[in-house]
Amino acid sequence: AQKITQTQPGMFVQEKEAVTLDCTYDTSDQSYGLFWYKQPSSGEMIFLIYQGSYDEQNATEGRYSLNFQKARKSANLVISASQLGDSAMYFCAMREGNSGGSNYKLTFGKGTLLTVNP
Amino acid sequence: KAGVTQTPRYLIKTRGQQVTLSCSPISGHRSVSWYQQTPGQGLQFLFEYFSETQRNKGNFPGRFSGRQFSNSRSEMNVSTLELGDSALYLCASSSTGFPGNTIYFGEGSWLTVV
Repeated sequence: AQKITQTQPGMFVQEKEAVTLDCTYDTSDQSYGLFWYKQPSSGEMIFLIYQGSYDEQNATEGRYSLNFQKARKSANLVISASQLGDSAMYFCAMREGNSGGSNYKLTFGKGTLLTVNP
Repeated sequence: KAGVTQTPRYLIKTRGQQVTLSCSPISGHRSVSWYQQTPGQGLQFLFEYFSETQRNKGNFPGRFSGRQFSNSRSEMNVSTLELGDSALYLCASSSTGFPGNTIYFGEGSWLTVV
């Protein structure tokens, strides 16, 4: 079974509108972390936002927020006020295991290609 | 502060050759991990090093190896290259403490095997 599922291969949004990219995860660990990355065509993987499994509040970083619903095992990324430069591939990833421990392996979803239209 | 630096950015190799890729982590980060990204398999974990020790290894053949130096810089090596090794190889560095759980990636090394 896939550990990270991104069901939207592609998404379109109008400039200045908000968009939600879906991510569901599967783990039996109590301690885990969820990440979102942006990958433009250049290949660089740009860190956007992080949510720990014990964090009670949803993470926010500027125009990015993570809608964390633990019971549903979902960690959707919300981008507000989309910009043309937001067009890229977006990956959801999970790190399982102790946050202070030794497991820094990430498991990635297949990604969502976001296109922002002017 | 400087980000994760990977060299070279682009390279072309012939089947059967070997290749070495380099990664310099963010200053102060002691964990370095490597990932392979291909259109067919997506992003796959190769291995992770901390203080010169390999702590995690993905499901890749022994042709893929790595090491980490005392200054936390890391190298990965692929021997006897195959066409299927053509990929973007990404290096990531991590801080080690909690809540330092952000994991930052470099720009990647694009490897083409012909």
